Amino acid sequence: GNSVTQMEGPVTLSEEAFLTINCTYTATGYPSLFWYVQYPGEGLQLLLKATKADDKGSNKGFEATYRKETTSFHLEKGSVQVSDSAVYFCALIEGAQKLVFGQGTRLTINP
Amino acid sequence: GAGVSQTPSNKVTEKGKYVELRCDPISGHTALYWYRQSLGQGPEFLIYFQGTGAADDSGLPNDRFFAVRPEGSVSTLKIQRTERGDSAVYLCASSLTGNGNTIYFGEGSWLTVV
Repeated sequence: GNSVTQMEGPVTLSEEAFLTINCTYTATGYPSLFWYVQYPGEGLQLLLKATKADDKGSNKGFEATYRKETTSFHLEKGSVQVSDSAVYFCALIEGAQKLVFGQGTRLTINP
Repeated sequence: GAGVSQTPSNKVTEKGKYVELRCDPISGHTALYWYRQSLGQGPEFLIYFQGTGAADDSGLPNDRFFAVRPEGSVSTLKIQRTERGDSAVYLCASSLTGNGNTIYFGEGSWLTVV
């Protein structure tokens, strides 16, 4: 079946550092890909998405590019802030509506 | 509120007991989903409703788990004869039509079976 594998955490960085969280997937076909974020005490929120190969999703300074050659969707941000501390989940959509998530990566940004 | 609302936010129950978890989706959303998230893991799909009917219940782990959405709005996830392995966060989500629309999640119901 389809699956998503994420870089293991936790990840700890200093403010203004460059962030990469790796995500690779196994899927039949070319499903839409997502990054969700879970801030402390809050529900999962959609951060960005890409619906086809070579698409780049972006939001709040985060970016991820859908790479079918490497079956990857790595999350990047050029300069992280303390407020970016959260758990990040990579996911794909299976069929019309079923999200398949990675295990999550906890990110902590120190001032 | 405007988001997906789940109650209770926390539930502790004894092994063998029956539990109900409630989800109130965003008003007007016809699609509703239940996921389960164990500690240190990503959410896992349980069931998807389109209106009142369960369009996909392939993620329900066994027949102790059941979900209903009788009027196409509020949904209840029911767990019979709870086991310690059922301890997890149960997440509800909704989307406008269930056809590629953004899926919005609630904050979850933490279930602990002791």
